[in-house]
Amino acid sequence: QKEVEQDPGPLSVPEGAIVSLNCTYSNSAFQYFMWYRQYSRKGPELLMYTYSSGNKEDGRFTAQVDKSSKYISLFIRDSQPSDSATYLCAMTSNTGNQFYFGTGTSLTVIP
Amino acid sequence: DVKVTQSSRYLVKRTGEKVFLECVQDMDHENMFWYRQDPGLGLRLIYFSYDVKMKEKGDIPEGYSVSREKKERFSLILESASTNQTSMYLCASSLEGIREKLFFGSGTQLSVL
Repeated sequence: QKEVEQDPGPLSVPEGAIVSLNCTYSNSAFQYFMWYRQYSRKGPELLMYTYSSGNKEDGRFTAQVDKSSKYISLFIRDSQPSDSATYLCAMTSNTGNQFYFGTGTSLTVIP
Repeated sequence: DVKVTQSSRYLVKRTGEKVFLECVQDMDHENMFWYRQDPGLGLRLIYFSYDVKMKEKGDIPEGYSVSREKKERFSLILESASTNQTSMYLCASSLEGIREKLFFGSGTQLSVL
């Protein structure tokens, strides 16, 4: 079983839609949770991060962590064509130097 | 803002060539990482370094080596390039103790013919 599972999509939505992206994980030691956005042929860009459980909001983006279910989500409100990218989840524990990534979900927002 | 700079965006090499990929970060980060990214496989860790001259193997170190002579620079070396090393290579860095922020470079798309 992979440490982190992410539905690869692709996901295609109309402009203005609410988008939900999700990852599940198996290691209960994970405490730090990150979302990256990666445009085509570019490196991943850190979008949001949270520590432990709870929600975090930044503009149109909301990150949620449910440690009891080992499930994290990224919600995008009022999606824009510029949100079209691949979204990667990543996580790590308090110890060690390894980061664990999902394989990414490809999102297209249609004008 | 943290800047992680990879020396080449695109690189084409021949089988058997020795290949150097360079990465420089400007924020005095202790930790530096090399990943490769392949469709359907996601990011896989090749090597990481937590200090100058220190290195540790990641999940797929075979066929690669690294060098970290200065804190800001981390080099990935393909000793004898093979076609199965055609991939997107991503360098990343993070500050020791700040675990939620891992910053990436723009990537190097390497093609080995």
